[in-house]
Amino acid sequence: AQTVTQSQPEMSVQEAETVTLSCTYDTSENNYYLFWYKQPPSRQMILVIRQEAYKQQNATENRFSVNFQKAAKSFSLKISDSQLGDTAMYFCAFMKPYNTDKLIFGTGTRLQVFP
Amino acid sequence: EPEVTQTPSHQVTQMGQEVILRCVPISNHLYFYWYRQILGQKVEFLVSFYNNEISEKSEIFDDQFSVERPDGSNFTLKIRSTKLEDSAMYFCASSQAPRIITEAFFGQGTRLTVV
Repeated sequence: AQTVTQSQPEMSVQEAETVTLSCTYDTSENNYYLFWYKQPPSRQMILVIRQEAYKQQNATENRFSVNFQKAAKSFSLKISDSQLGDTAMYFCAFMKPYNTDKLIFGTGTRLQVFP
Repeated sequence: EPEVTQTPSHQVTQMGQEVILRCVPISNHLYFYWYRQILGQKVEFLVSFYNNEISEKSEIFDDQFSVERPDGSNFTLKIRSTKLEDSAMYFCASSQAPRIITEAFFGQGTRLTVV
């Protein structure tokens, strides 16, 4: 069975600085998808970035980028030039690309950006 | 911007009572999902629904749970006889297409408290 682990329950970063959130996962699959979701306080969970395991290039979306290490089963999220609006809970998630609709989530990391 | 809306935002119910959680997915979406998060634990998949049928469900989704799309716009999750351990945040999501073909959009959640 697949599992996703986020070992940092809480993180904090100063505005304009860079922060990295960790995620590891366990699977026997060779192809799969990985996601980072952001949930601001009292708001919807929104997709930040996703990575397809067969792509070697790390995904990037503006200030958000991932460091995908397939052999190590690691999928960290780097937020550059942190902004106050980045304050949120961040969830790492895994999905097999076939025969399922299910996202498997980690427990989340609460990120606080302070001025 | 279209969004998934959930009502109520917080529901308190007595153990053994039936509860219905409501979701209005994005209007042109065809695939619907329920997830839940018990406080301090992972977000867990409950069920996916397409074309008026359950397409996948987890082991959590037992006979106490049911889903339906009663009127073509709402998507509901019913818990027949609530237990204390059903207390959790329940998230609805919808997507245009299944799995990772398109992004799943989440609602902001309904916090269910069973007393």
